[in-house]
Amino acid sequence: KNQVEQSPQSLIILEGKNCTLQCNYTVSPFSNLRWYKQDTGRGPVSLTIMTFSENTKSNGRYTATLDADTKQSSLHITASQLSDSASYICVVRPTGTASKLTFGTGTRLQVTL
Amino acid sequence: NAGVTQTPKFRILKIGQSMTLQCAQDMNHNYMYWYRQDPGMGLKLIYYSVGAGITDKGEVPNGYNVSRSTTEDFPLRLELAAPSQTSVYFCASSYSSSSSTDTQYFGPGTRLTVL
Repeated sequence: KNQVEQSPQSLIILEGKNCTLQCNYTVSPFSNLRWYKQDTGRGPVSLTIMTFSENTKSNGRYTATLDADTKQSSLHITASQLSDSASYICVVRPTGTASKLTFGTGTRLQVTL
Repeated sequence: NAGVTQTPKFRILKIGQSMTLQCAQDMNHNYMYWYRQDPGMGLKLIYYSVGAGITDKGEVPNGYNVSRSTTEDFPLRLELAAPSQTSVYFCASSYSSSSSTDTQYFGPGTRLTVL
């Protein structure tokens, strides 16, 4: 069964600090891996999309990495801000499934003063 | 562009009642999706549509129906609501699904409680 597992489940960091969120997946073969940010009470918003041939992709202070051999991805947040407080969801699109994505359960990040 | 809009934002239903969750997008996207998000769980695909008049089941379609008469609208119908349908429902759209890097744009969600 295709699965996407994220760790940690939740994380609290001080403003200005860096953090890294982890994603392990068993989806194979896969077309691409996405990271979404979901603010409380809002819909997910795409941060990055990486194909299996890409190792890293950045979007401002967000940098995603992908190791297709070990089936692991990470999302690194640099110089965190209060507005980074949200859930971060790892999503994998299997090859050939067109519209069917596999979603992780998310990491809940809280940035405090 | 308003993007993807959903109504209502909140709704409480009694067991056995029916309702329609509305979803509209103004980005001229061909693909539209309905997901549900339960606490502590990843989003699950309920139904999706690849264009007007074409719909298909996702992972958890039981208890739901959809229609797609126009490119812009993709309503989700709940018949005979059950407590298991208590969830947050998200509608999403994308230009196409053939591109491996198509981005899905999500609406703000509808929080539904069935009592």
